[in-house]
Amino acid sequence: GAVVSQHPSRVICKSGTSVKIECRSLDFQATTMFWYRQFPKQSLMLMATSNEGSKATYEQGVEKDKFLINHASLTLSTLTVTSAHPEDSSFYICSATGGSTGELFFGEGSRLTVL
Amino acid sequence: QKEVEQNSGPLSVPEGAIASLNCTYSDRGSQSFFWYRQYSGKSPELIMSIYSNGDKEDGRFTAQLNKASQYVSLLIRDSQPSDSATYLCAVDGGGGFKTIFGAGTRLFVKA
Repeated sequence: GAVVSQHPSRVICKSGTSVKIECRSLDFQATTMFWYRQFPKQSLMLMATSNEGSKATYEQGVEKDKFLINHASLTLSTLTVTSAHPEDSSFYICSATGGSTGELFFGEGSRLTVL
Repeated sequence: QKEVEQNSGPLSVPEGAIASLNCTYSDRGSQSFFWYRQYSGKSPELIMSIYSNGDKEDGRFTAQLNKASQYVSLLIRDSQPSDSATYLCAVDGGGGFKTIFGAGTRLFVKA
């Protein structure tokens, strides 16, 4: 299957700082990328959908000014958690779809810990 | 509200047995159905996709789809301890690429 790479895999930061997470499709062009958050023992929660070259569509309850998403190219989307707080500590996962089948290919995930 | 329902489990089966995972969905317009496996602390990985009624087999995995009953299932034959994971049922939201995930079923395969 297609390969999606996510970086960094783990990040620890101080409260109030910003953290950027990158999601790259390595062998295909991802027209649409998705960002999820997952708390321990809970299911995936879709945060936003990003399409290359346009503004991301955020799910209800997700603050767009706090979670900045940029999808500047067909192979790269970034999620920036601004002014992070301990409650933002979570597992953030990106996924991408490049075709019409609906299959999603996930990045490895980024575990964020905010101290 | 489009929904995908799964029994959260845990489902416990002995090694070598058949594990049966079930899922129902609410949107009759859904066309694409997926099963993802997620190991603890890892991101999901696609294991099966199915688009038409009936069975689809891939190795030890069989996906079954019944659109009339809005029901999808995954059978794992000859279950192995390495199959222990959370299995996520996913359904396309119709009209685009927004996939709706179930909460997942935790499977434990006892050696």
